[in-house]
Amino acid sequence: SQQGEEDPQALSIQEGENATMNCSYKTSINNLQWYRQNSGRGLVHLILIRSNEREKHSGRLRVTLDTSKKSSSLLITASRAADTASYFCATDGGGADGLTFGKGTHLIIQP
Amino acid sequence: DAGVTQSPTHLIKTRGQHVTLRCSPISGHKSVSWYQQVLGQGPQFIFQYYEKEERGRGNFPDRFSARQFPNYSSELNVNALLLGDSALYLCASRGQVRYNEQFFGPGTRLTVL
Repeated sequence: SQQGEEDPQALSIQEGENATMNCSYKTSINNLQWYRQNSGRGLVHLILIRSNEREKHSGRLRVTLDTSKKSSSLLITASRAADTASYFCATDGGGADGLTFGKGTHLIIQP
Repeated sequence: DAGVTQSPTHLIKTRGQHVTLRCSPISGHKSVSWYQQVLGQGPQFIFQYYEKEERGRGNFPDRFSARQFPNYSSELNVNALLLGDSALYLCASRGQVRYNEQFFGPGTRLTVL
């Protein structure tokens, strides 16, 4: 079963604009991770934020985590055509049950 | 260093057959996990292996099995294939730090006819 829910399911913006994706989850977590997937290929790890962190940056990426609301957001600034992909959040409960993924947000960057 | 590798890339089988998918983790990684991704959905956890022992199992039927070898590579086996088993099967490896990111391979695309 999917724990996370990404919002929106699809997002289309112009190149250069910022893209924001949200993720909600249901159970307690140890950390939350964001991944990118191009055209049904393998997942690329983008960023990991631990449950005791509130915000993290990596290049053009900014992730926030609100454990009281069980939600996270991923902001991609100054978007590029190459950012076109599906983005997934995944929660890690810290046990041996692997990552629990949402259904993803499909991001399209219009040139 | 090579990333996670998976073989084969694509596979076509018919209902009732069995399939074996292979994964080699990043050098030095001892944990391997398997995920199934049906079209339009996020990946779903199938198995986690660490030091050749099964450490976690998702909600999949007994037709799915896996093992990890002394060199930490892994196989996923699926018996009595159903049409619904058609999916992208992803393997991920993780380093020795327990709570860190998983690195995914390119996946094996399985089509069951």
